[in-house]
Amino acid sequence: KNEVEQSPQNLTAQEGEFITINCSYSVGISALHWLQQHPGGGIVSLFMLSSGKKKHGRLIATINIQEKHSSLHITASHPRDSAVYICAVARAGNQFYFGTGTSLTVIP
Amino acid sequence: GAGVSQSPSNKVTEKGKDVELRCDPISGHTALYWYRQSLGQGLEFLIYFQGNSAPDKSGLPSDRFSAERTGGSVSTLTIQRTQQEDSAVYLCASSLNTPGWSSYNEQFFGPGTRLTVL
Repeated sequence: KNEVEQSPQNLTAQEGEFITINCSYSVGISALHWLQQHPGGGIVSLFMLSSGKKKHGRLIATINIQEKHSSLHITASHPRDSAVYICAVARAGNQFYFGTGTSLTVIP
Repeated sequence: GAGVSQSPSNKVTEKGKDVELRCDPISGHTALYWYRQSLGQGLEFLIYFQGNSAPDKSGLPSDRFSAERTGGSVSTLTIQRTQQEDSAVYLCASSLNTPGWSSYNEQFFGPGTRLTVL
């Protein structure tokens, strides 16, 4: 069993739709990271969370420490949001565990 | 300021040869991370440096893998006697990481080195 589980694995949405990607983890963490990987491989850090909620533009990330669960939301999705979204958790000592990613395709 | 850079961007080598991959972190970032991403698979944590020290080397896949960091800056990941299963994209990231309980900071990723072992 992976320490980090993401769902769904693949997601196709129409432009403008509200999108939710979920991440559940089974280990104690010091922080949770949402990453975005575009075709071509470049990785960008979207959010780092240790509690609560963060918002950046059309992106919102939430975390529930008690339930060991985080969600990434994209409002008013756009084709340029098409990418793989990866959840990563950091443990004490900076050990990292990664989800397998959610491949998002937004259709115009 | 420049971001994290890695070299080479692509490396093709023959099985059994040694390779060195280089990472230049963002200036002033004390923490440096190595990951790899095999084709069709997720990211895998390899090793983490705080300054020049690597507190945890347990992520390295085998004793053919080693990494060092000098001067708190550039890091080199060395793979000896490469095998075909070593083919992957090797990613480096750095972060500011200040000491203390909340020492984890946002990471900035390099573009990666694509390693192909024939």
